[in-house]
Amino acid sequence: AQKITQTQPGMFVQEKEAVTLDCTYDTSDPSYGLFWYKQPSSGEMIFLIYQGSYDQQNATEGRYSLNFQKARKSANLVISASQLGDSAMYFCAMRGLNTGFQKLVFGTGTRLLVSP
Amino acid sequence: GAVVSQHPSRVICKSGTSVKIECRSLDFQATTMFWYRQFPKQSLMLMATSNEGSKATYEQGVEKDKFLINHASLTLSTLTVTSAHPEDSSFYICSARVEGADTQYFGPGTRLTVL
Repeated sequence: AQKITQTQPGMFVQEKEAVTLDCTYDTSDPSYGLFWYKQPSSGEMIFLIYQGSYDQQNATEGRYSLNFQKARKSANLVISASQLGDSAMYFCAMRGLNTGFQKLVFGTGTRLLVSP
Repeated sequence: GAVVSQHPSRVICKSGTSVKIECRSLDFQATTMFWYRQFPKQSLMLMATSNEGSKATYEQGVEKDKFLINHASLTLSTLTVTSAHPEDSSFYICSARVEGADTQYFGPGTRLTVL
């Protein structure tokens, strides 16, 4: 079984500053993928970044980077130079990559508010 | 690339009627599509997984006869909420996955309100 924990229900950050959204996970799968999605008030889920458990380097996508610490089972999302448009719900998710396709398991989400 | 659409985006219906929601992958073929339900201020709850040409796999506690899923082609899956009741009011989101890929791409969601 897999579990994702996001302990921050809400985070506040000022525009242009960096913010870290926490995510820890638990799994018995030796191979797995970790994802971050952004959900603005419109409701759509926007894929941000992916980290495979065997990837040697931390994933980066523009202003998004994933601080992957395998031993600690954490996959924190770092957003640099926050923008007002970054205000949204952020969900961390994971999926086992073993035999067959396993479903995506989501955390409870963190609401990020970016202030001017 | 990797665009998923949903139609309708919002629907209001009377109790007892059936509602069909479409999920389309616009620029890729999706061997697997997923249907989620999201209550206000909560996370996504997977309802079912559908593979093209085969029966959907439902999660525990999800009524198969109430939430009919059809995945007739590699670009279209439909969710029909049969005999809808007010407690079925929710935000329904689909996602699609390309065979062999790790990432799921989500549709914009459909907000269902049953009066």
